[in-house]
Amino acid sequence: SAVISQKPSRDICQRGTSLTIQCQVDSQVTMMFWYRQQPGQSLTLIATANQGSEATYESGFVIDKFPISRPNLTFSTLTVSNMSPEDSSIYLCSVVIRIFSEQFFGPGTRLTVL
Amino acid sequence: GESVGLHLPTLSVQEGDNSIINCAYSNSASDYFIWYKQESGKGPQFIIDIRSNMDKRQGQRVTVLLNKTVKHLSLQIAATQPGDSAVYFCAERDSNMLTFGGGTRLMVKP
Repeated sequence: SAVISQKPSRDICQRGTSLTIQCQVDSQVTMMFWYRQQPGQSLTLIATANQGSEATYESGFVIDKFPISRPNLTFSTLTVSNMSPEDSSIYLCSVVIRIFSEQFFGPGTRLTVL
Repeated sequence: GESVGLHLPTLSVQEGDNSIINCAYSNSASDYFIWYKQESGKGPQFIIDIRSNMDKRQGQRVTVLLNKTVKHLSLQIAATQPGDSAVYFCAERDSNMLTFGGGTRLMVKP
């Protein structure tokens, strides 16, 4: 299994500002993902974080709004840029240790934008 | 409490009864299916999985059934306990990418 930590665990931010969320894993993993979970809803994949290269974004998500870094096999960041109240969500980091193995989730970062 | 699950369908069961949570999936190419449990304030936690070449898999108090003909997945929880109260999500995998279903909130009455 993998132990995943996220920082911050929650934050309240002002409209127009940006927040960077960190994801740290206790072991090297093959794949890292970022998901969004809007209030009362299921999980939606934002992007796959690729080590040393640009992330792969899903339809509806763009790099300018959600820049992602993954400098090594255990760490990734997601930035929510120029925030609006519609960005209020839980943001979750997820990892796969080996291809086609189980996918684990972090505890999430609860973001509220005023 | 957290807002996860506020607008999701809710299944209410009596403690000790069996629970059945259903999920419909859409992608015929999905080769792997997973059930996750999400408690308030936490990330999703893996419960049980099943590969597309199986139709049933049992774990401790949980059973997953897969019907590929009608693209239906179910999670059965035996002797439901208060600690089972959570939101349950099914997910399907295609090419190592997970797609999540809408989720069901399970409430266990003492």
